[in-house]
Amino acid sequence: EVQLLDSGGGLEQPGGSLRLSCVASGFTFDKYGMSWVRQTPGKGLEWVSSISGRGINTFYADSVKGRFTISRDNSKNTLYLQLNSLRVDDTAVYYCANGVRGGGDHWGQGTLVTVSS
Amino acid sequence: DVVMTQFPLSLPVTLGQPASISCRSSQTLVYSDGDTYMSWFQQRPGQSPRRLIYKVSDRESGVPDRFSGSGSGTDFTLKISRVEAEDVGVYYCMQGTHWPITFGQGTRLEIK
Repeated sequence: EVQLLDSGGGLEQPGGSLRLSCVASGFTFDKYGMSWVRQTPGKGLEWVSSISGRGINTFYADSVKGRFTISRDNSKNTLYLQLNSLRVDDTAVYYCANGVRGGGDHWGQGTLVTVSS
Repeated sequence: DVVMTQFPLSLPVTLGQPASISCRSSQTLVYSDGDTYMSWFQQRPGQSPRRLIYKVSDRESGVPDRFSGSGSGTDFTLKISRVEAEDVGVYYCMQGTHWPITFGQGTRLEIK
């Protein structure tokens, strides 16, 4: 059974940092590109970042470019998202998904990031 | 960026009746490999999004066959042949052909 377990969210002040993790199981992790998608409370979905299976290629939304870094450790079946220089409008539930162009056939349960002073 | 425009944004449906959601993209979604990266997601209340359809019309394993996707180029449709109570939620289209990946605004399906 495919599982994606997101974690690492929390309350952080503007300008602060957080690192999100997504532990994967049930599929060959390094064969899949992975993505992060966020959802503002009560709003729609926004793609944040994607990474290729071996971690060579990374892609970012303009809204997070230069502040967020996506990475992966295939030996640990884990995807990461480093969030720096956090802004109030980064407040959202962040989901990891096992896919890129297709959006992913499995998503994590989501981890809530709240940026507030 | 490719803009994905969904309509309607609210869809009240009687149980057992069909439903249809449209999504129009501001650019063609045919990728250089010949595939069209157009997906549909369902988000039930309090749950993570779940992919229903990928590459326009391929149904995800385990998704009931009352869900179907169609379309080409810039116009796409998700159809539910007979709406059931468990179909309540928000439906999103998504394009993965062009960077950045973009989603539609979402269509809220409710039971009349």
